Amino acid sequence: TQLLEQSPQFLSIQEGENLTVYCNSSSVFSSLQWYRQEPGEGPVLLVTVVTGGEVKKLKRLTFQFGDARKDSSLHITAAQPGDTGLYLCAVPTGNQFYFGTGTSLTVIP
Amino acid sequence: NAGVTQTPKFRVLKTGQSMTLLCAQDMNHEYMYWYRQDPGMGLRLIHYSVGEGTTAKGEVPDGYNVSRLKKQNFLLGLESAAPSQTSVYFCASSSFLEQYFGPGTRLTVT
Repeated sequence: TQLLEQSPQFLSIQEGENLTVYCNSSSVFSSLQWYRQEPGEGPVLLVTVVTGGEVKKLKRLTFQFGDARKDSSLHITAAQPGDTGLYLCAVPTGNQFYFGTGTSLTVIP
Repeated sequence: NAGVTQTPKFRVLKTGQSMTLLCAQDMNHEYMYWYRQDPGMGLRLIHYSVGEGTTAKGEVPDGYNVSRLKKQNFLLGLESAAPSQTSVYFCASSSFLEQYFGPGTRLTVT
């Protein structure tokens, strides 16, 4: 059983479109992170959200932590080919991090 | 700063062979991790270390051993490789909640 479920698993869109990906769990977390992983590289941390209902923006990316701190969403406005990659959510638990299965995004020029 | 480096980048092993993956970080981080990444499975934690001389099991530790003799290095060993260990292996180090990942090692066991 996965602690974190991400959806959709795959997403292919045209440049300029908007999209939202989700990270869901039945557990409550003190914080949640989003990473982006480009092909052939390691994941890179994008953001950490810590407060229920919190919204953080990073240029065209908007991250929201659910009010109950069980889920999160990532919204990308006007997607660019450079946004292509695997988007992973993760939660720190004690000394460990648990990752979701990821959403693989392809933005077609 | 090089950040987190991993050697080698690619390796092919035959079943039953052994090997060691090396991870090095130059950020003076206390925490270091080894993950494996398989299609559709995300990243799964193999072992981690909270400081020099310490190691602990993660989610999928079977078939792997680790050592942290120096703060900057974290070694992952496979004593007798199996095809199920074919994967991409990532090392990470962290300061508080921020993890920094290496570029990965692609291991194939035939």
